[in-house]
Amino acid sequence: GAGVSQTPSNKVTEKGKYVELRCDPISGHTALYWYRQSLGQGPEFLIYFQGTGAADDSGLPNDRFFAVRPEGSVSTLKIQRTERGDSAVYLCASSFTTGERGYTFGSGTRLTVV
Amino acid sequence: AQSVAQPEDQVNVAEGNPLTVKCTYSVSGNPYLFWYVQYPNRGLQFLLKYITGDNLVKGSYGFEAEFNKSQTSFHLKKPSALVSDSALYFCAVRAPYSSASKIIFGSGTRLSIRP
Repeated sequence: GAGVSQTPSNKVTEKGKYVELRCDPISGHTALYWYRQSLGQGPEFLIYFQGTGAADDSGLPNDRFFAVRPEGSVSTLKIQRTERGDSAVYLCASSFTTGERGYTFGSGTRLTVV
Repeated sequence: AQSVAQPEDQVNVAEGNPLTVKCTYSVSGNPYLFWYVQYPNRGLQFLLKYITGDNLVKGSYGFEAEFNKSQTSFHLKKPSALVSDSALYFCAVRAPYSSASKIIFGSGTRLSIRP
């Protein structure tokens, strides 16, 4: 597609529930990144994929967070047993392999855990 | 490990005056540096980047940034501010010589331009 698409744009869930957030990157971008942004803060790195594999998952806060990219295109960020502290905007970005041409971000998914 | 600092939470400038948003970085080797802008309820929009070459980089909406290796800085500048420039600005750094590694963002600077 023309840009990075993230769905849903908003998600409200109850504490303890499971959620999935989807990212559809720009066609041809081999690298895909997930970030989390809390109100008034800078985006915090979570995980990035090169193709199908997670090249760096050092930013995932705990084992409740998991992400997949099975066919090297669309990625899903999965959060189990959600907590109120997980409430944030989850941003996805994609780039060509080296990132020198820049990183394109989606509009994000605003997750609210009540 | 790479890191980036934006020392000012907020910058206030009168319309028509020059503006500067400060950024310093820490990374081994020559960095890749980026500026992004975020408007309310919008995603991050790319402004400009420094990879190599001229230290003065020109980007979107009349913004420019100067890479200063000795001071490890990459300050964002614009000669004449517009009210529409009011937004949240993020500096980001990526370590070089690695394939598509993550970029690390600063905490952001809120730019407010008064008419």
